[in-house]
Amino acid sequence: NAGVTQTPKFQVLKTGQSMTLQCAQDMNHNSMYWYRQDPGMGLRLIYYSASEGTTDKGEVPNGYNVSRLNKREFSLRLESAAPSQTSVYFCASSEAGGGYTFGSGTRLTVV
Amino acid sequence: GEDVEQSLFLSVREGDSSVINCTYTDSSSTYLYWYKQEPGAGLQLLTYIFSNMDMKQDQRLTVLLNKKDKHLSLRIADTQTGDSAIYFCAVWMDSSYKLIFGSGTRLLVRP
Repeated sequence: NAGVTQTPKFQVLKTGQSMTLQCAQDMNHNSMYWYRQDPGMGLRLIYYSASEGTTDKGEVPNGYNVSRLNKREFSLRLESAAPSQTSVYFCASSEAGGGYTFGSGTRLTVV
Repeated sequence: GEDVEQSLFLSVREGDSSVINCTYTDSSSTYLYWYKQEPGAGLQLLTYIFSNMDMKQDQRLTVLLNKKDKHLSLRIADTQTGDSAIYFCAVWMDSSYKLIFGSGTRLLVRP
């Protein structure tokens, strides 16, 4: 099925470990986004890429880095995981106007 | 920056209508969206309205937009238990090329 694919679906990390969350879309969308979702906080934008070759910070970028590898792929990296980064992470893609298509999420626990 | 606000919780009886409300601050928003999130899943685009429209109807869903008051609502007719989910209002920002989400309204449908 066409859409946004995120891997992994679940991950447990120890404090200080690093990992990369992968996201790929097959809809030829120009823009891609990474959000985190915490209880009672809604969705908060971490980073986004309006087009291939560009990335920009969102509301909560500290502790994260991103790479727009090509038009299809947008990865999120945690260099040194902290318990405060325990969350559900969603990747999304869109064309202009905001009709986002979301992935199914990565549930990350940092212990 | 843009602020999007929603009430946190709504409980209705099966068969009744549900109305979920949203207010926003940026009058230049061109697209306004409603997303649905079921437990353990990503966000699914339900419907959207363009800013030059007052109303949009799609089967059981009716979106009303009051631009003067910057108020958006989603009405679900004949609410079913399968409609129980979190509903997010989102506003497209032309200036920054991204969607701003509200914190979500949890809809509980009682049998």
